[in-house]
Amino acid sequence: GEDVEQSLFLSVREGDSSVINCTYTDSSSTYLYWYKQEPGAGLQLLTYIFSNMDMKQDQRLTVLLNKKDKHLSLRIADTQTGDSAIYFCAIGSYNFNKFYFGSGTKLNVKP
Amino acid sequence: EAGVAQSPRYKIIEKRQSVAFWCNPISGHATLYWYQQILGQGPKLLIQFQNNGVVDDSQLPKDRFSAERLKGVDSTLKIQPAKLEDSAVYLCASSLDPGTGFQGGYTFGSGTRLTVV
Repeated sequence: GEDVEQSLFLSVREGDSSVINCTYTDSSSTYLYWYKQEPGAGLQLLTYIFSNMDMKQDQRLTVLLNKKDKHLSLRIADTQTGDSAIYFCAIGSYNFNKFYFGSGTKLNVKP
Repeated sequence: EAGVAQSPRYKIIEKRQSVAFWCNPISGHATLYWYQQILGQGPKLLIQFQNNGVVDDSQLPKDRFSAERLKGVDSTLKIQPAKLEDSAVYLCASSLDPGTGFQGGYTFGSGTRLTVV
């Protein structure tokens, strides 16, 4: 199987940038994703990156991929209290047609 | 477009009882997934359907869990008998096809929170 690791908690002040990190083991990963989960809600896809890309930017979100180190990060610029949620990294293994999720990072944004 | 519908939202049962969850995917989505999300963990795939056929059920505890997708639309997931460790949120997701799912095309339902006491 795939190992996907995330730190459990991150606390930032409103207006600061947040950086959530993820490491994985499967080198055959094709797509790498960031999902957001608010309390009592399902998973919402925020963004994804194809494995031949190093960076993807989408408004306040920047995804960085370091394939050599198998490290994925999500940067949220100008973090707002509405960004408080759990963020999951997920890795798509096309060869095995499987998704692997990390255990999630709980982001707490203080006003 | 309507999202993925799941019911019930919450269920509390005693251990050794049975329970069933229902999922109605987005219209036209051929691929349907059931995930188990234990508190503090990421979702784990239980079973994947393509239309009404099973693609992957390698992580489904088949001694107590079963799932079906009759007519390739709605799906039910059943647990019989339930154990304490089955307490989790059960998420249903769908995509047009597996390839689209990989390109971010998964849509998740809000889940059913199961508590086994």
